[in-house]
Amino acid sequence: ETGVTQTPRHLVMGMTNKKSLKCEQHLGHNAMYWYKQSAKKPLELMFVYSLEERVENNSVPSRFSPECPNSSHLFLHLHTLQPEDSALYLCASSQAVSGRLGTDTQYFGPGTRLTVL
Amino acid sequence: QKEVEQNSGPLSVPEGAIASLNCTYSDRGSQSFFWYRQYSGKSPELIMFIYSNGDKEDGRFTAQLNKASQYVSLLIRDSQPSDSATYLCAVNRLDSNSGYALNFGKGTSLLVTP
Repeated sequence: ETGVTQTPRHLVMGMTNKKSLKCEQHLGHNAMYWYKQSAKKPLELMFVYSLEERVENNSVPSRFSPECPNSSHLFLHLHTLQPEDSALYLCASSQAVSGRLGTDTQYFGPGTRLTVL
Repeated sequence: QKEVEQNSGPLSVPEGAIASLNCTYSDRGSQSFFWYRQYSGKSPELIMFIYSNGDKEDGRFTAQLNKASQYVSLLIRDSQPSDSATYLCAVNRLDSNSGYALNFGKGTSLLVTP
């Protein structure tokens, strides 16, 4: 699936490093999402952007900082992370129209496997 | 608290059998329901979505929705070893504040044995 791409695919960083995850969608969608997937836990929604505006922020620590410069690109800036932040970070996109059935199907990128030492 | 519950499994079925995966949800306002398949180390991929009560068939897959009982299930006919994966149930309410946010279950691990 090349509709949603993510880079890097793997990242190892120390707790004092600063890094960024990148997501790009080629589907013409208007909404993009960051999820965190840890072992034995459900997918956790972190941020939602609709038309480049953040519409949801689920109490994510400030060491995670999203950026959406346009409808095709989404970044997740990381700084001063903790070992418990090690997880698979997934980006998704959808062509969402609130309240309209059939528009909320989300398509995922391949993910970035993050390890914090 | 909106919850989506799935039995974590593993659910083991022999090749060629029907695999039945179940999901219950707590929010009665939920309107759209999704099944995703996730292979180990990979990202979730959409299998089916369903909005209306009843059955929806797509190839070997059938999604069943019962809003009165608040459950949605996925049947996989003629199961193959390649169907071995974790199956995620996701639910959405579609109101003005949460139209974008899917609530995911923890997933059910399916193992199809040759």
